[in-house]
Amino acid sequence: DVVMTQSPLSLPVILGQPASISCRSSQSLVHIDGNTYLNWFHQRPGQSPRRLIYMASNRDSGVPDRFSGSGSGTDFTLKISRVEAEDVGVYFCMQATHWPLLTFGGGTKVEI
Amino acid sequence: EVQLLESGGGLVQPGGSLRLSCAASGFTFTIFDMNWVRQAPGKGLEWVSGISVDGTTYYADSVKGRFTISRDNSKNTLYLQMSSLRAEDTALYYCAKGGWCDVWGQGTTVTVSS
Repeated sequence: DVVMTQSPLSLPVILGQPASISCRSSQSLVHIDGNTYLNWFHQRPGQSPRRLIYMASNRDSGVPDRFSGSGSGTDFTLKISRVEAEDVGVYFCMQATHWPLLTFGGGTKVEI
Repeated sequence: EVQLLESGGGLVQPGGSLRLSCAASGFTFTIFDMNWVRQAPGKGLEWVSGISVDGTTYYADSVKGRFTISRDNSKNTLYLQMSSLRAEDTALYYCAKGGWCDVWGQGTTVTVSS
């Protein structure tokens, strides 16, 4: 199985300041179709995960443009340009390149 | 609006069975692969099972032989039949749309305890 490793586990942030989360995969996430199926999710306490980013760098509809995703191959990054209070929670990366064997990162807890 | 509504969770004794359901609406259910993902208390996310549009089924090693995923396209509903349940199956179970899991339900809680 593809192992997804996120860092840091916990990320204290300051409102208005940038934040960055790393996700690394044990195998390349480039699909045979040439696309890279790496998603980022945000989960607030007591809520289900919400997808923010798909295919490594594409924002989902309604996601603020302060969120951006980048990376390729095995190394990926989620960046928040200016953290807002509503951004607290846990962020997960997930690879779908090797569907049906989906695998998730362990999560990064973002707190003010 | 795309919606997924899970049901069927509850408290069950070790060795028991439960059937989870996920009612889908707001999209063409028949053209999407579907998944079950679980989250144990205070833990991360674990893929449990998936089913493709043609009905091919897939399972995590941890549930293979004990869980059965199925879909009823006439009812726009996804199922997860769980048997021989263990304490380590205790979790919040989510259904998620598509191979990319772009939309998730609110989850249904399964507690395995005597």
